[in-house]
Amino acid sequence: AQTVTQSQPEMSVQEAETVTLSCTYDTSESNYYLFWYKQPPSRQMILVIRQEAYKQQNATENRFSVNFQKAAKSFSLKISDSQLGDTAMYFCALKRSSRALNFGKGTSLLVTP
Amino acid sequence: DAGVTQSPTHLIKTRGQQVTLRCSPKSGHDTVSWYQQALGQGPQFIFQYYEEEERQRGNFPDRFSGHQFPNYSSELNVNALLLGDSALYLCASSFTVQGYQETQYFGPGTRLLVL
Repeated sequence: AQTVTQSQPEMSVQEAETVTLSCTYDTSESNYYLFWYKQPPSRQMILVIRQEAYKQQNATENRFSVNFQKAAKSFSLKISDSQLGDTAMYFCALKRSSRALNFGKGTSLLVTP
Repeated sequence: DAGVTQSPTHLIKTRGQQVTLRCSPKSGHDTVSWYQQALGQGPQFIFQYYEEEERQRGNFPDRFSGHQFPNYSSELNVNALLLGDSALYLCASSFTVQGYQETQYFGPGTRLLVL
């Protein structure tokens, strides 16, 4: 069974607009971490944002913010004021306790002029 | 501050051969994890090394093995290569505190093509 699900294989947004990428996950543990990683065409995986499950406040990093709904097991990424450099594959990942990262299949985001 | 580095960047091998990939962790990190990323897919966890020992392992056959050196760098070895082993191999490093690993940072990857 898939642990992390990204239901949007591809998305497109115009420059300066806002886009939201969806992610749902499954775990029975109470202590876990969620991440969004970005992988541009140059392929280096870059950490975008991290959320601790025990924190109620949604994480933000400049133009990037998350909507963490623990009961619904949902973890969406909002990108505000989209820039051409945001074009990339975006991966949602779950880390349970001391286990390794479990990734979704990714969402390909294209930012158009 | 050097990030995670990997070598080589690209590699072409034939079926049945053996390959060794290398990874140097980010400065201050002591834990190395390896992932396989097939084209169009998310990374899949292979194994993780900490204190020179394999601490966790994903669902990969014994053909995949690794090593961690005293300076925390790591190698991934794949024996008897199959066409299906063609993928991007990613190394990620992190720092382990009281048994818990902090956030993982990734290297640029090694693209392996098996012919």
